[in-house]
Amino acid sequence: DVKVTQSSRYLVKRTGEKVFLECVQDMDHENMFWYRQDPGLGLRLIYFSYDVKMKEKGDIPEGYSVSREKKERFSLILESASTNQTSMYLCASSLLDTPEETQYFGPGTRLLVL
Amino acid sequence: KQEVTQIPAALSVPEGENLVLNCSFTDSAIYNLQWFRQDPGKGLTSLLLIQSSQREQTSGRLNASLDKSSGRSTLYIAASQPGDSATYLCAVRDFGNEKLTFGTGTRLTIIP
Repeated sequence: DVKVTQSSRYLVKRTGEKVFLECVQDMDHENMFWYRQDPGLGLRLIYFSYDVKMKEKGDIPEGYSVSREKKERFSLILESASTNQTSMYLCASSLLDTPEETQYFGPGTRLLVL
Repeated sequence: KQEVTQIPAALSVPEGENLVLNCSFTDSAIYNLQWFRQDPGKGLTSLLLIQSSQREQTSGRLNASLDKSSGRSTLYIAASQPGDSATYLCAVRDFGNEKLTFGTGTRLTIIP
């Protein structure tokens, strides 16, 4: 079974803190994704990566950065957390360019910024 | 830019009924369409994936259809059970793109 794990289920941070969200997958997938999910807005893509050290902006990259130093690990960084970044963050992974393959999601990290 | 819409946002039905969830998308040049399930506070679980060349996919009591020309997909759930209560999300992957575009989901409640 594909397993995508996220470092924390719940996080509480203060405005201005630097926040690291970690995601690890165990299936040697090339693609990894970070989404945020908000009520009424659905899932929106923040960043994705199709290879080590490669990254591409998604639909809402402002205020975020990412790091992929190893194939299995994809980190989302909030350089200076703000209250409008309070959200559910979901990581996913998939094989590269295979139409029959889905994205596999982690359990999510619920972040509260005070 | 692809847009995915799911209506209604919420649906309640008595246990045992068959039901249909709807998804529409604006750009028909899609690579595949997927249906996911999300339980409260959890991640997403893939239910069915329909490739661009396919018309439908079935898994147990679930059947998903795809009509690219009209920009629509339906998820049919037969003989609904309380355990089917969850949010169901539709997502589209466009050609030449690794990204998924998600609808906002339909929250389904099965009443025992």
